[in-house]
Amino acid sequence: EVQLVESGGGLVQPGGSLRLSCEVSGFTFSDYSLSWVRQAPGKGLEWVSYISSRSSPIYYADSVKGRFTTSRDKGENSLYLQMTSLRVEDTAIYYCARGGLDQWNPFGGLISNTPLEYWGQGTLVTVSS
Amino acid sequence: DIQMTQSPSTLSASIGDRVTITCRASQSIGTWLAWYQQKPGKAPKLLIYEASNFQSGVPLRFVGIGSGTEFTLTITGLQPDDFATYYCQQYSSYQWTFGQGTKVEIK
Repeated sequence: EVQLVESGGGLVQPGGSLRLSCEVSGFTFSDYSLSWVRQAPGKGLEWVSYISSRSSPIYYADSVKGRFTTSRDKGENSLYLQMTSLRVEDTAIYYCARGGLDQWNPFGGLISNTPLEYWGQGTLVTVSS
Repeated sequence: DIQMTQSPSTLSASIGDRVTITCRASQSIGTWLAWYQQKPGKAPKLLIYEASNFQSGVPLRFVGIGSGTEFTLTITGLQPDDFATYYCQQYSSYQWTFGQGTKVEIK
């Protein structure tokens, strides 16, 4: 059974930092892309970042570029989101989600496009003074 | 960035109704479109990928069609479990973007 479990959310002051974790199980970690998606209270879904199965490429939403860093650790079967310079508007539930099986061309280029097949239950980040 | 526009934002319907949600992309995304269902307090759930393919376990009453810039999700024979918010998402190019959501509520 595929499982994704987020942790690390909490209350932080504007300008502060926080690191989210997402521990996964039930699939071969090194074969699948992972993403972060957030949802502000009462609002819609906003994609935050994507990391391929090989940790490159990594993409970020413009709203977090330069402030957030996504990484993954095969040994820990975990995805991470390091958030710095946090703003009130970063307040949201943060979900980690698994994409589909990554496929690569012989030159190492990613050739697959996959949706978000499995989601964690989310962790709440509140940025407030 | 590719903008995704969903309509309507809210839809009132009865059990057994046929409902259709529309999603328009600001530029062509081929068929790189997914539909998700989200219930209050829960994570989203993938229903449809590549515009018209059923995710495993999804009831056949959920039908997605479209390509290019115009897509629809139709629920035929609305069931009590279907009252939720639905989102479209393009995964054609980064930045990935979601529609603003369509809440399907009981009439």
